[in-house]
Amino acid sequence: TQLLEQSPQFLSIQEGENLTVYCNSSSVFSSLQWYRQEPGEGPVLLVTVVTGGEVKKLKRLTFQFGDARKDSSLHITAAQPGDTGLYLCAGGLNAGGTSYGKLTFGQGTILTVHP
Amino acid sequence: DTAVSQTPKYLVTQMGNDKSIKCEQNLGHDTMYWYKQDSKKFLKIMFSYNNKELIINETVPNRFSPKSPDKAHLNLHINSLELGDSAVYFCASSQGAGRAEAFFGQGTRLTVV
Repeated sequence: TQLLEQSPQFLSIQEGENLTVYCNSSSVFSSLQWYRQEPGEGPVLLVTVVTGGEVKKLKRLTFQFGDARKDSSLHITAAQPGDTGLYLCAGGLNAGGTSYGKLTFGQGTILTVHP
Repeated sequence: DTAVSQTPKYLVTQMGNDKSIKCEQNLGHDTMYWYKQDSKKFLKIMFSYNNKELIINETVPNRFSPKSPDKAHLNLHINSLELGDSAVYFCASSQGAGRAEAFFGQGTRLTVV
């Protein structure tokens, strides 16, 4: 069974601060996605990383995939109240050479950014 | 245009009842899923269908029966509802081969009383 440990579970910060969310596993994933979920809505994909060591930037968000493809981090610079939400990491696996898209999710990080 | 739409958004029902949730995607994806999100926000896959065929069944009780009439639709029927079934159920879809990014519906909040 593949597990993803996400930390911290809760994060409450002031506007303008930086933060990092971590996602760790003992398993290797073929891809790692980060999603953001707002109350009453479904998760929305932010980014996918597929290559060990890959770094992707999305405005103030920086995503990194570990060299061994077992861990990932999300760093937000100068957080804003609009960044408030639930952040989820999810590991994807290819089964038997054909991917049916099974995703294993971390427990989520609830981020609150205070003005 | 909503990419993945599921109905209803809210469902309140009594123990023992049978209920269905419908899902449709207009993204042309081959693969559809049902996920369950518990009160602690943990998302867990329940079922996966690829082009109408059941691919993944994650040890879900057989009171839950998914049905895919075509690759754009995946419905979930639940028999004999129990209190523990209360959760938010998400439908999702993705492109089939080699890409696992999922597009989620808005969710159905099921409350069993």
